[in-house]
Amino acid sequence: DTAVSQTPKYLVTQMGNDKSIKCEQNLGHDTMYWYKQDSKKFLKIMFSYNNKELIINETVPNRFSPKSPDKAHLNLHINSLELGDSAVYFCASSQGQGMTDTQYFGPGTRLTVL
Amino acid sequence: GENVEQHPSTLSVQEGDSAVIKCTYSDSASNYFPWYKQELGKRPQLIIDIRSNVGEKKDQRIAVTLNKTAKHFSLHITETQPEDSAVYFCAASSAVDSSYKLIFGSGTRLLVRP
Repeated sequence: DTAVSQTPKYLVTQMGNDKSIKCEQNLGHDTMYWYKQDSKKFLKIMFSYNNKELIINETVPNRFSPKSPDKAHLNLHINSLELGDSAVYFCASSQGQGMTDTQYFGPGTRLTVL
Repeated sequence: GENVEQHPSTLSVQEGDSAVIKCTYSDSASNYFPWYKQELGKRPQLIIDIRSNVGEKKDQRIAVTLNKTAKHFSLHITETQPEDSAVYFCAASSAVDSSYKLIFGSGTRLLVRP
């Protein structure tokens, strides 16, 4: 009955590799997000999708490509991984894209690039 | 661009004492201010939020106050308990075209000493 789930929980990989993180929500929400939390715990939005349509793209390098096959899923693919990509990536979802729509976070994926 | 500043970065209190965390925001159009609690290795979880038409909101031991004129809001935790130990994030909504995003503060690590 997990509301927002992500896989994998941990990801360790070499520089230059390509990797994907998957996210699914079973809340029936229309809007999904990707956040990056760096080593200093700073939480910053990367992307948001509403009903499979890209809404927000926060000047993220184009090595990062989100994909939403349906409104319950939002995956994140990262090409040519760099050391600076090491972080915890959180998926989140909300009922809609309104100002007061509560965002529910997934458990996070800790990405370590060696 | 939009910015949310949060203070202090760390806070240590004795069990039973009160804790106060303060945030200021730059976007005068922000109208929604959630607070998230993140325990070690876990996901951020919403603990309380406040909308701009309200000056104060309380939920058991936690309360949030908002001063729109001064563009600052605060989280108050009374009768702190060891399980309150976590990182707390404030956030402010900011409009992006027809959607909204949350701008997070840098977090406050709260330690409640038994």
